Order: sequence, then C-alpha cells, then structure tokens
Amino acid sequence: DVVMTQSPLSLPVTLGQPASISCRSSQSLVYSDGNTYLNWFQQRPGQSPRRLIYKVSNRDSGVPDRFSGSGSGTDFTLKISRVEAEDVGVYYCMQGTHWPWTFGQGTKVEIK
Amino acid sequence: EVQLVESGGGLVKPGGSLRLSCAASGFTFTNTWMSWIRQAPGKGLEWVGLIKSKADAGTTDYTAPVKGRFTISRDDSKNTLFLQMNSLKTDDTAVYYCTTLWGGGPNFWGQGTLVTVSS
Repeated sequence: DVVMTQSPLSLPVTLGQPASISCRSSQSLVYSDGNTYLNWFQQRPGQSPRRLIYKVSNRDSGVPDRFSGSGSGTDFTLKISRVEAEDVGVYYCMQGTHWPWTFGQGTKVEIK
Repeated sequence: EVQLVESGGGLVKPGGSLRLSCAASGFTFTNTWMSWIRQAPGKGLEWVGLIKSKADAGTTDYTAPVKGRFTISRDDSKNTLFLQMNSLKTDDTAVYYCTTLWGGGPNFWGQGTLVTVSS
C-alpha cells in the first residue's frame, strides 16, 4: 500500500499568519491518465471531514482562497495564507491513485 | 443540496452482523461512485471500500482489513447505499461515513454512524 506521511503532526499557529503542511507518498501519485489524485481534507472538532483540495491544487466549491495546494510526484503541500480561528482542526492528505486509497496520519492545527 | 444520511449503527457483539444504510439526495445517485470510510475513536481516517456506478459495471473494491467480511451494495431505485458487515471484530469499532466520489476522492460526506463492537 502507498504510505502517506504528513509533517508536522502538530502545528501551533498564530492568527493571521501563514501555515504549511507537507505530505509525502511512498510512490509517485501520477496516474496512467496523467492526473495526480492527491486530496486534502479538513476535519473540524466534532464534525465530518470536508474536502478542500482535489487533484493537487483544485479547490472544492466554497473553499476559501486562503487554502492552496501544490506539489507533484511524491511531494505535496497544503498552505493556509492567513490562519483564521475557524481553521482549527485536523488536516489529512489522501491519495486516490493506487488502490487501496490511503490517508496520511493527520496534522492537528491549533491556535497558539 | 447534496445530503447523505447514514443509519443502522449501534452496539453489536464480536462475531455479530450489522447493516448500515446511507440515504442520498441532491445529486444523480445512479451516476455516482460511492464509498464507505471509517474513523475509530480518536484516530485517523481509514478506507473501507467503494462501489462504482452501474455504468462502470458497479464493481466493488475493499481494503484488506474488511475484505471477505464486509459487502457494499447499492439500490439505485431508492438512492441508497448499503454496508453489510459480518463477523465483526472489536477493531471494527468506528464512526462509518458514507461519501460520494468524484475527482479522485470523496467530495461529500455524511454525518457518520457509530458502530461499537463489544461484548
């Protein structure tokens, strides 16, 4: 199975400051159709997960533009340009290229 | 508005069975791949499996921990997804989420239903 490794696992941030989460896969996530199926999810406390980003850098509908995704191959990054209080929660990366699809361990974002 | 409403969770003894349902609305269920994902208490997200649309042969895929014990099915006439769980183990205790699949991942999620396997 493809192993997804996130870092850091805990991220204390200051309101209004940027934040960045790294996700690395144990093999390339480029699919035979040329797409790279790397997703990012946010799970606020007590809520269901919500997808933020699909195919590396595409924001889902309704996702604020302070969230952005980048990367290629095996290295990917989620960035929050200016952290707001509502961004507190756990963030997961997930690959949808190789079955079984797999999630990273999660990164807990909290306010300093 | 997309809505996914899971039901059927509860307390079951090890070795027992349970059937979860997911009522879908707000999108064309027939054309949509669907999946089940679970989350053990205080833990991360784990795939259970997926089912493709009938147009894509309606085939299923499962992860190793549940293969041979769990079965995903769908009733397109009722816009409902199912998860039949047999030979349940204590490790299967989790919140089970129903999701739609699009763009290479789960885009809409239900609120989840809790399954507790305990004697």
